[in-house]
Amino acid sequence: DTAVSQTPKYLVTQMGNDKSIKCEQNLGHDTMYWYKQDSKKFLKIMFSYNNKELIINETVPNRFSPKSPDKAHLNLHINSLELGDSAVYFCASSPGQGNTGELFFGEGSRLTVL
Amino acid sequence: GENVEQHPSTLSVQEGDSAVIKCTYSDSASNYFPWYKQELGKRPQLIIDIRSNVGEKKDQRIAVTLNKTAKHFSLHITETQPEDSAVYFCAASKSYQLIWGAGTKLIIKP
Repeated sequence: DTAVSQTPKYLVTQMGNDKSIKCEQNLGHDTMYWYKQDSKKFLKIMFSYNNKELIINETVPNRFSPKSPDKAHLNLHINSLELGDSAVYFCASSPGQGNTGELFFGEGSRLTVL
Repeated sequence: GENVEQHPSTLSVQEGDSAVIKCTYSDSASNYFPWYKQELGKRPQLIIDIRSNVGEKKDQRIAVTLNKTAKHFSLHITETQPEDSAVYFCAASKSYQLIWGAGTKLIIKP
């Protein structure tokens, strides 16, 4: 059983398009995250939700909109895609916030914007 | 706010030798310090963590040391093996947010 699953694994799209990435966790965790990892491998936090409530919203263009319909799901919608959005997007979950324990990552969704 | 610096950015060691990766943090209130390993094309995974009430923690060939006075912590890998090749990330947290280091690419030479 996959603990944190995200779909799709690969996305190739044209500039200006809109795309969504879905994430689901079956660990019963309260907190979910979206991270962006660019070609230099730096892990940048984008959003964090705790029990469906947004608790971290880093400096991310408002073209990125997270949605958490329930605490097991956190989806990411991106409008008007730009070349610089090309990256691997990781969903993750944890039992609590920040310093409370292990982050469990999904396999990542590689987004390529042409 | 918290800042985490990680060194070196790339580390190349001979198989069987030890590897040490160091991180410094700025906020003395930080109390949780995990290390994640990311193999090529895979997800980051926790390999070891330490809390501020402990100075050292070991798990087989991996150990982490914490110096709260100097505000730095280190990952030690002994008897390195080819499967240790990966990018390693340190992080620090005092509350709801983890602050990440920039990562160290560890290369194990045969």
